[in-house]
Amino acid sequence: QSALTQPASVSGSPGQSITISCTGTSSDVGSYNYVSWYQQHPGKAPKLMIYDVTNRPSGVSNRFSGSKSGNTASLTISGLQAEDEADYYCSSYTSSSTLVVFGGGTKLTVL
Amino acid sequence: EVQLVESGGGLVQPGRSLRLSCRASGFTFGDYVLTWVRQAPGKGLEWVGFIRDKAYGGTTEYAASVKGRFIISRDDSKNIAYLQMNSLKTEDTAVYYCTRDVWGRFDPWGQGALVTVSS
Repeated sequence: QSALTQPASVSGSPGQSITISCTGTSSDVGSYNYVSWYQQHPGKAPKLMIYDVTNRPSGVSNRFSGSKSGNTASLTISGLQAEDEADYYCSSYTSSSTLVVFGGGTKLTVL
Repeated sequence: EVQLVESGGGLVQPGRSLRLSCRASGFTFGDYVLTWVRQAPGKGLEWVGFIRDKAYGGTTEYAASVKGRFIISRDDSKNIAYLQMNSLKTEDTAVYYCTRDVWGRFDPWGQGALVTVSS
């Protein structure tokens, strides 16, 4: 069982918006703004999409945005495109001995 | 181009050892924390551990699942980080990624090295 809870799957049609949640506790997501999101296509390495809750690295489309409220962080993808179909993982620092925790991953299907 | 390349993966018997390497290029390797993350077949990402940069003593931290068995080290003169894996178990079977770490921002990632622990 992963430390951060994500929905196993989400889906949307091209052009629509979807949101993936990442729920933790007051020991991780709720206490730190070091929440990141990663996109992983099959057989590929993860790619950073959002860091520090809301920041987008250079080169990442502005269709990707992040937010946080309490112990839950969220990734929103607007204007869905076929290429967005992938697995998405959140991560956070934690005050536990683990130091870094990941979510279990969410499979995004573009219908 | 900022790049990380892992090597050293393969098939190993339970109880044996294996060392992975992570060669960096395109940035000042010694200024950064280097983290290892693994992914078991069909599963999610799992943090393995990291090594701090020299400014923070080059100290290491590990996940409970590997503490006492895995050792992370670095050679800043060669721009290489290592993951020494001892007393390997079947549950250590995974793709191992190295990644540059800036306060939990993992970017970039290497292509991954597959480690299979099986008799």
